[in-house]
This record gives sequence, C-alpha cells and structure tokens, in this order.
Amino acid sequence: EGQLVQSGAEVKKPGESLKISCEGSGYDFANYWIGWVRQMPGKGLEWMGIIYPGDSDTRYSPSFQGQVTISADKSISTAYLQWSSLKASDSAMYYCARAIVVVPRRIAWFDPWGQGTLVTVSS
Amino acid sequence: QSALTQPASVSGSPGQSITISCTGTRSDVGNYNLVSWYQLHPGKAPKLMIYDVTKRPSGVSNRFSGSKSGNTASLTISGLQAEDEADYYCCSYAGRDVVFGGGTKLTVL
Repeated sequence: EGQLVQSGAEVKKPGESLKISCEGSGYDFANYWIGWVRQMPGKGLEWMGIIYPGDSDTRYSPSFQGQVTISADKSISTAYLQWSSLKASDSAMYYCARAIVVVPRRIAWFDPWGQGTLVTVSS
Repeated sequence: QSALTQPASVSGSPGQSITISCTGTRSDVGNYNLVSWYQLHPGKAPKLMIYDVTKRPSGVSNRFSGSKSGNTASLTISGLQAEDEADYYCCSYAGRDVVFGGGTKLTVL
C-alpha cells in the first residue's frame, strides 16, 4: 500500500529559506511519481508539481514554476519542497502524495497522501 | 488553468443520498476519463475515494460512486453516515497539468 510521512510544522520569517520533506515507505519509492499540493487557509487544493524520484524528472504547474523547487533523494525515499525566499503568501498547508501517472505521462490520481506540513510565514 | 467548479456546500440527513457536481471544460473533465475525488477530514491526510471517474479503491465503501457526463463529473454518496461529513474535492487531468475543484463541504444533518 505505502505510506508518506511529512516533516513537522514550520514557522518562518519573510525572506527566509525552507525545505520540507516527505518520506515514503512500504512501496518502491523510486519508481512512483510524488506530487505536491498546496492548500491556503480557507481555500481549495492546488497542484504544484511532481517528481519521479528514480531520475528526478520534474514537472511544475505554471503557477508555481520558479516559485519553489521540488527535489528527491531516492536513496532515503524522500521528496522535498523548498523555497529560497519565503513570502507571507506562502503560508499554507502543503501535502505530498504519490501520483499515479498513466501512459502517456498523464497524471491520473494521487494516493496515498501525507498528513500535511503547515507552513506559517510571519514577521 | 481555472479550478473546476463545485458547489460550496451540500447537506443531507443520515440515510439519504447526495450528489456533488464538478464542472470543468472540454480541456479537462470533458476530454479525459481521469477524474478523481478526495475526502478531507480536518487534521487527517486526504483520502482517495474515486479514480478514473468511476473506480473505487480497495477499502472505500460502495456507498461512494462516481460518474461523468460531458464536462461534468459527479460524486454520489448513498446512505449518508455521520462519518461522511467532510470536504470533498474533485480533480482532473488537464493536458500536462492537473486541476482541482474548489471543494465542497458536506454536512450530515
């Protein structure tokens, strides 16, 4: 089945950098895509991008391209989402999820999901 | 890519059936049979309820069913139970990207 466990809540100041993590277990982590999804306070889900840990092939939503960096280390079954300079508007819950991608490279669904990492950016 | 359109809220009494709609365009819902639905309970990891428009993952109650007609997908929950009270989101492949709905809050009266 598999499980994803995310790193804990973070409180940061504007301009600071941050890297949150998502560790997979119970399945072949390297050979399944991992996606990241944002949920701003009181808002809906937004797809940010996906990564294939096996070769670090990455695809970003146009809305998040250049705003965040998605990476992975298959040796420790962990994916990452990072910011170089946080803004208050980055305050949100961030979820990772295993993305099922079907031929030809179409993102079909997300399962399972991590428990979420709450990021708060405030001066 | 614009978010898929869902009603902000729906409600029903225990035992009743409800349907949540998810309206997209010919570029997403209408063009691909890659619609999925997720249940979000506060403080818990989101849960996949339906994938590929109509398929139910192992372990999900058969009270949950999905369908699609044209640019609109639907999630139906029959025999409502108190534990079904949650937020529900639809999701569709949209030609390279993925788009989610705005979410629907289900209240079990």
